[in-house]
Amino acid sequence: GAVVSQHPSWVICKSGTSVKIECRSLDFQATTMFWYRQFPKQSLMLMATSNEGSKATYEQGVEKDKFLINHASLTLSTLTVTSAHPEDSSFYICSAPDRGGTGELFFGEGSRLTVL
Amino acid sequence: AQSVAQPEDQVNVAEGNPLTVKCTYSVSGNPYLFWYVQYPNRGLQFLLKYITGDNLVKGSYGFEAEFNKSQTSFHLKKPSALVSDSALYFCAVRDDTGGFKTIFGAGTRLFVKA
Repeated sequence: GAVVSQHPSWVICKSGTSVKIECRSLDFQATTMFWYRQFPKQSLMLMATSNEGSKATYEQGVEKDKFLINHASLTLSTLTVTSAHPEDSSFYICSAPDRGGTGELFFGEGSRLTVL
Repeated sequence: AQSVAQPEDQVNVAEGNPLTVKCTYSVSGNPYLFWYVQYPNRGLQFLLKYITGDNLVKGSYGFEAEFNKSQTSFHLKKPSALVSDSALYFCAVRDDTGGFKTIFGAGTRLFVKA
């Protein structure tokens, strides 16, 4: 199956700094990628749809200026958490759809962000 | 708007017994339904999907799910649970409008006791 790679797996940063998370499709091209945030209890929340060559589409309630998404190529999308605060600590997961099939998602391994 | 409900936060079952994880959905148009599994600190893995055709869908690791249109349900089942099935299970839905935006349920944690 298709592989989506996410980096870094773990990151710890100080409050006020920015953190970049990368999501790469390794063996296929992804014009669309999705970023999800998983809260400690367990729910998976769609944050935004990343579109190659155009602006991301954010879900209601997600701060565009806080969570910057860039999809500069057909294999790479990045999520930058700007001026991070402890409440941004979470598990962030990216995914890309299987365009050749019926759209199941291939997920990265996730990135755990801890803001001190 | 699409939505998914997983009414159980947790399901406990003994190894060897059948298991069911419940899911109901709401979507305009025809639903595309999915089940994913997540192991600790990992991304999600695809288990199975219903797009059209036979209401009983078989997937990875011996799991199956039954699509019930009248009850808008897509429950995940396995005839005989294994301890290694213990994980977090997510039901997901998207509509048939051509986009790939997928909405997930809150997840159900499955514990299989030896």
